[in-house]
Amino acid sequence: GAVVSQHPSRVICKSGTSVKIECRSLDFQATTMFWYRQFPKKSLMLMATSNEGSKATYEQGVEKDKFLINHASLTLSTLTVTSAHPEDSSFYICSARAGLVNEQFFGPGTRLTVL
Amino acid sequence: KNEVEQSPQNLTAQEGEFITINCSYSVGISALHWLQQHPGGGIVSLFMLSSGKKKHGRLIATINIQEKHSSLHITASHPRDSAVYICAAPLFQGGGADGLTFGKGTHLIIQP
Repeated sequence: GAVVSQHPSRVICKSGTSVKIECRSLDFQATTMFWYRQFPKKSLMLMATSNEGSKATYEQGVEKDKFLINHASLTLSTLTVTSAHPEDSSFYICSARAGLVNEQFFGPGTRLTVL
Repeated sequence: KNEVEQSPQNLTAQEGEFITINCSYSVGISALHWLQQHPGGGIVSLFMLSSGKKKHGRLIATINIQEKHSSLHITASHPRDSAVYICAAPLFQGGGADGLTFGKGTHLIIQP
């Protein structure tokens, strides 16, 4: 089956630093990747939709200058949390969709802790 | 936007019991997803279905498109089935290409 990886799986950083999270589709080409965020004991929430070669579409309330998304190839999307603050501490999950297929394949997630 | 409701929020059962988790959504969709999340956080996709019923091992998922309702069943439940089960639907009507909106999840504990 389709495999999506994320790196790193866990990161702890100081407030004010930037953190990059990678999402890779290992055995298929992902025309669309989605970034989700999950705060403790809350539902997953869509942050942004990333299409290869074009700008990401952000959901209402998600700051595009703070959460930089790059989808430069059909197998890689990156999310950079810039000038991270403790309130950005969360579980970040990506998913990838291939072509016209509706199914999304999820990465294992990245737990970000900002001190 | 679609709204997804799940019930129950918490469910504790004995090993071997038949488990049912329900999901309803507010707008017509092309497909609904059932996901499993373990304590470490990782998400596993269990099913994507657009009509009828799908079965994988002891897991069965059904959907009624007209009633905007889906159920996830676990037969002969086992402690290793303990996890959070989440249903997810496209954010917008139809919406096959859209990002997903998620239910709050059902925290299932199967006791030996």
